[in-house]
Amino acid sequence: KQEVTQIPAALSVPEGENLVLNCSFTDSAIYNLQWFRQDPGKGLTSLLLIQSSQREQTSGRLNASLDKSSGRSTLYIAASQPGDSATYLCAVVPMEYGNKLVFGAGTILRVKS
Amino acid sequence: EAQVTQNPRYLITVTGKKLTVTCSQNMNHEYMSWYRQDPGLGLRQIYYSMNVEVTDKGDVPEGYKVSRKEKRNFPLILESPSPNQTSLYFCASSLFGWASGGALDTQYFGPGTRLTVL
Repeated sequence: KQEVTQIPAALSVPEGENLVLNCSFTDSAIYNLQWFRQDPGKGLTSLLLIQSSQREQTSGRLNASLDKSSGRSTLYIAASQPGDSATYLCAVVPMEYGNKLVFGAGTILRVKS
Repeated sequence: EAQVTQNPRYLITVTGKKLTVTCSQNMNHEYMSWYRQDPGLGLRQIYYSMNVEVTDKGDVPEGYKVSRKEKRNFPLILESPSPNQTSLYFCASSLFGWASGGALDTQYFGPGTRLTVL
């Protein structure tokens, strides 16, 4: 059964700092991996999707990498801003059943001004 | 504006009183699904639908029903709610589902429905 773990559970950094969020998954047989952002009172917003054949994806100040063989992904946020404060969720689509996302518990990020 | 809408956003009800949470998307997406989010357990899939009239169970379907009579709508029905169904519920959609030959692509989530069952 696929399990997704995110470390750290919470992170507090000063504005302007570069930071890395980690995601690991137990079964490397995945179709893709997605990073989401969740704001209080709002739904999840998709940030990046990495196909299993890709190594990384970039969007603005965000860069996500995927090492499928080791079951790891990282989300790199450059020059963090207070507006980046949110919960970041990692999710994989397992090859065993490609019809759902399996989520990690998330990392709560606080960027202090 | 492309979006997934859910109603109601907040609901407090009592045990056993049937309720429906509506979900609608305006992007002509084939795939829709429901998740619940609980502290310490993360998001777990309840039901999903590949297309009209095609639905299937997710990881935690007990106590829930769904229907997909139209492509844009995917309501979640709780026939006899119980306190253990108190949770934050999310509807999601994507252009394609697994049946299209690929995997789930970018998921679009609704704003969530916070349900409390007393």
